[in-house]
Amino acid sequence: SQKIEQNSEALNIQEGKTATLTCNYTNYSPAYLQWYRQDPGRGPVFLLLIRENEKEKRKERLKVTFDTTLKQSLFHITASQPADSATYLCALDTGRRALTFGSGTRLQVQP
Amino acid sequence: DVKVTQSSRYLVKRTGEKVFLECVQDMDHENMFWYRQDPGLGLRLIYFSYDVKMKEKGDIPEGYSVSREKKERFSLILESASTNQTSMYLCASSSVGGRGKNIQYFGAGTRLSVL
Repeated sequence: SQKIEQNSEALNIQEGKTATLTCNYTNYSPAYLQWYRQDPGRGPVFLLLIRENEKEKRKERLKVTFDTTLKQSLFHITASQPADSATYLCALDTGRRALTFGSGTRLQVQP
Repeated sequence: DVKVTQSSRYLVKRTGEKVFLECVQDMDHENMFWYRQDPGLGLRLIYFSYDVKMKEKGDIPEGYSVSREKKERFSLILESASTNQTSMYLCASSSVGGRGKNIQYFGAGTRLSVL
């Protein structure tokens, strides 16, 4: 069956460290993968998109990798700040209009 | 600035009531979506619409219907609300855009409680 897995456990890190979040999937062949940020009580907000033929994408302190052989994407936040505390969702774009979302990983950055 | 507006942030309804959730977008997007979000289950697609009066079932359409009479407005209807429909409901929109352009813009969500 098709599955997207993100760490359900919250990730706690110290301010200034690099946060790394994982998104694994099975039985999908996404052409694109997206990452969203969701704050409590709010809707998700788009952060980054990466294509299947791109190994890495960067935007300011954010970096995303996409390994279609491992069926995995890693999302990194460098020099993390308490304001980065949120839930981060990965989403697969398999060519149909709707995206398929993971359940998200909650990140807590301690000052 | 892009905007997706959901009519209510919080709603409390009784079992058996008919419930309407409204969503309006101002970006002239063709696609609109309704998701529900529950702890540990992530975002699950209920229905989506790719044009006026057009709709497709998502992964969990049972107990729901939708209406899209105008391009900017997409309504989710719970014909007879049940307690297992207590959830956070999120509306989103996206442009047609071609592959890799399917970035979705979300509303703030409606937290529905069915008693």
